[in-house]
Amino acid sequence: EAGVAQSPRYKIIEKRQSVAFWCNPISGHATLYWYQQILGQGPKLLIQFQNNGVVDDSQLPKDRFSAERLKGVDSTLKIQPAKLEDSAVYLCASSESSSYNEQFFGPGTRLTVL
Amino acid sequence: AQSVTQLGSHVSVSEGALVLLRCNYSSSVPPYLFWYVQYPNQGLQLLLKYTTGATLVKGINGFEAEFKKSETSFHLTKPSAHMSDAAEYFCAVSDNYKLSFGAGTTVTVRA
Repeated sequence: EAGVAQSPRYKIIEKRQSVAFWCNPISGHATLYWYQQILGQGPKLLIQFQNNGVVDDSQLPKDRFSAERLKGVDSTLKIQPAKLEDSAVYLCASSESSSYNEQFFGPGTRLTVL
Repeated sequence: AQSVTQLGSHVSVSEGALVLLRCNYSSSVPPYLFWYVQYPNQGLQLLLKYTTGATLVKGINGFEAEFKKSETSFHLTKPSAHMSDAAEYFCAVSDNYKLSFGAGTTVTVRA
């Protein structure tokens, strides 16, 4: 079974530029999560989708971050404009449903904002 | 709201020695508890989880954890460390769907 795929793996941009990350969850998984992991900290949930609807985006900085999950499969996370403090690893995870099922994580995208 | 505190950001053990990683949680509802491992440049992998039932939970790679409600703890142990156990370990608590992670503990294993 293929795991959660993410691209790119690494991205370096300058502040005020925009960037987009892509995630392909495990086939058949209805729930998709985006986490931000700042160096030295645990992952923090940014947004959760159930199929193509948003369940929780309370921690998403909506003035600069946006995410979509068209057709309930792939998802993209965008930052525009980026700030220095956005430097982090962005992890995508998926699960069969939203209730206590194991979340499977992708390898992450490491973003460096200069 | 739930939260997790991991005691010790770095742990160094000798190969063959006991690995003990401490985790305390705060939750307003009966918690679901998890331990994840993260190897360099990889995503998180589930080691074990506690939902209900037996309080001693066995996971992959010889790890186990014990849920102690009276101490609000969920410490992770492995009797004998292997070089391949060098990684970062995260404790997490969940109410319904939302996972809240601790800051992580980095384990190094000395030959």
